[in-house]
Amino acid sequence: GAGVSQSPRYKVAKRGQDVALRCDPISGHVSLFWYQQALGQGPEFLTYFQNEAQLDKSGLPSDRFFAERPEGSVSTLKIQRTQQEDSAVYLCASSLVAGGGEQFFGPGTRLTVL
Amino acid sequence: AQSVTQLGSHVSVSEGALVLLRCNYSSSVPPYLFWYVQYPNQGLQLLLKYTSAATLVKGINGFEAEFKKSETSFHLTKPSAHMSDAAEYFCAVSSNTGANSKLTFGKGITLSVRP
Repeated sequence: GAGVSQSPRYKVAKRGQDVALRCDPISGHVSLFWYQQALGQGPEFLTYFQNEAQLDKSGLPSDRFFAERPEGSVSTLKIQRTQQEDSAVYLCASSLVAGGGEQFFGPGTRLTVL
Repeated sequence: AQSVTQLGSHVSVSEGALVLLRCNYSSSVPPYLFWYVQYPNQGLQLLLKYTSAATLVKGINGFEAEFKKSETSFHLTKPSAHMSDAAEYFCAVSSNTGANSKLTFGKGITLSVRP
């Protein structure tokens, strides 16, 4: 596809369930970012990949959050034992170059934890 | 550390009126600055960016912003608002050191345009 895609677009989980959110970046983009956007707030950085290497995970809020990009393309953000405070829109962005460049955002996955 | 302040959460203008959305930043290193627009249920779209070239930056849809180092500001303007400009606008800052260009966003401003 021409842009960044994310799936599912909407996810409802019961508290305590595990969820997996997928991001398909633009083909050939080296850098991949995950952000969390709570209702009424700006996006907040979670983690950054350069190819398959996770170079920065300083924004992950707890050890329940885990991200991977094993082949340097598709990335998955996994949240274990979901809590109500995890409810948010999770945005993925990719950029062509390592470390810098314009970030292109996907439409996001809206996670609601009941 | 970097931060962005967007004062106010909502701005309302009449169609055809000037749009002014304020953004102030804090950064310990020379910054890159961005304005993004977000329409309902869509991802963020880049309006314009400042990357240490010209201080007056022109973007898409008639928007522009001026980088003022002395005021640590990067306000977004558009001379004449259109109904289609109604959306949420985010100012963001990143480091220009190139190691990791993660974005730090403000809380966003909702722009309403009255007919």
